[in-house]
Order: sequence, then structure tokens, then C-alpha cells
Amino acid sequence: AQSVTQLDSQVPVFEEAPVELRCNYSSSVSVYLFWYVQYPNQGLQLLLKYLSGSTLVKGINGFEAEFNKSQTSFHLRKPSVHISDTAEYFCAVSPQTGANNLFFGTGTRLTVIP
Amino acid sequence: EPEVTQTPSHQVTQMGQEVILRCVPISNHLYFYWYRQILGQKVEFLVSFYNNEISEKSEIFDDQFSVERPDGSNFTLKIRSTKLEDSAMYFCASGNPLGSSTDTQYFGPGTRLTVL
Repeated sequence: AQSVTQLDSQVPVFEEAPVELRCNYSSSVSVYLFWYVQYPNQGLQLLLKYLSGSTLVKGINGFEAEFNKSQTSFHLRKPSVHISDTAEYFCAVSPQTGANNLFFGTGTRLTVIP
Repeated sequence: EPEVTQTPSHQVTQMGQEVILRCVPISNHLYFYWYRQILGQKVEFLVSFYNNEISEKSEIFDDQFSVERPDGSNFTLKIRSTKLEDSAMYFCASGNPLGSSTDTQYFGPGTRLTVL
């Protein structure tokens, strides 16, 4: 079974400040890792994913995440946030076998303050 | 850029009625999925579909739910007798096996189902 924990339900941050959104996971099988973003009244958009290779993954909109196997973490970071980054961010895992179903965390609401 | 589409965007129904939610996945994708998000909660996996049959399903996906690919383009989710607790946003997604050149699950904009 898989589970994803996003400890921070809300993260307020000032514009142009750095941000880190935390994600920890547990799984009995090897998984792939993802971050999705959901803007108000919209669907889910992929920010980045880790399948294999370099543990530092770069995504869209200046976001990056680092896979840490020993700590079972996949934290999302951005060095300087913009007002338009205000959204809900979901961390997700997918078993490496089968249909690659996604299992999501409860989400972190990022609010960028002008 | 290709996208997953869903209709309707909002469906209101009476408890006990049947509803069908429709999705058009991206044409060269092999896997199709339904997820739901109850208001204020996380996105939950319902079912995956591959090669014209259910690949995996969650505990939520009980006998009230069914999926179908009636033609070469549509992918539907049917709820036979809706309950109040079925009220949620339902997302369709499609993708290819992770690690392939065209992987990644793409999500549709969702159908908001309201059961009265």
C-alpha cells in the first residue's frame, strides 16, 4: 500500500521569497513520484516527476524537487515565488508496476502575498 | 497541445438517479483513469482501464460504479444509483506506461457532480 503525507496544509509566503512544500511517502513497492498543481476551478497539471536518474528534478514554472530515498521525501522548492503561483499543490506516488495509478497527498495550499 | 476533455462540467442529479460522466482521452494514450475529489479533500483513485477492461480499482469503486469505452474515443463513468456522498469533482485522466516516451497522466478539467 502507498500513502503520501503533506504535513503543511497551508503555506503563506511573500512574493519573491523562496518556498519549500514538504512531501513524505511510504510504500511497500518501488514508486515514481510527482507534483501536481491545481489552480482554482481547474484540473490537475503536472509540475514535475521523478522516474529515475538524477534525484534533482526540474519542472515547469521554475519549480524543482529532490528525491531523497533514505528519508522517503520529495520536497518541492522554488527560489522566488510569484503571485501566479498561488494554488493547491499535490504530491503523488505511483507504483512502478501495473497501471501506474496515482495516490495523492492531502495537498498544500500555497498563498503568495504581494 | 492535446488535452483530455470532460462533459458535462457540472451535473446536478437527484439521489437514486443514474448519471454518466463522459471523457475523451488523448488519442494515443493506452491507459484511462477516473479519480474523484470530494470538496476540501484529496484526490482519490477510483479505477484504471487498459485494453478494454478494468486494470485496477479502489475500494471506493463498488458495484454502483462502472466504466466503459463505448467507441474509439469516449471513456465513461456510470454511477447507477447516486448517493449524497457521491457528490464530488470527478477527474478523468489518460496516459501511457511510465518510462515510455509518451508517459505522464494528463487530467481533464473535471465534472462537478452534485447529488441532491
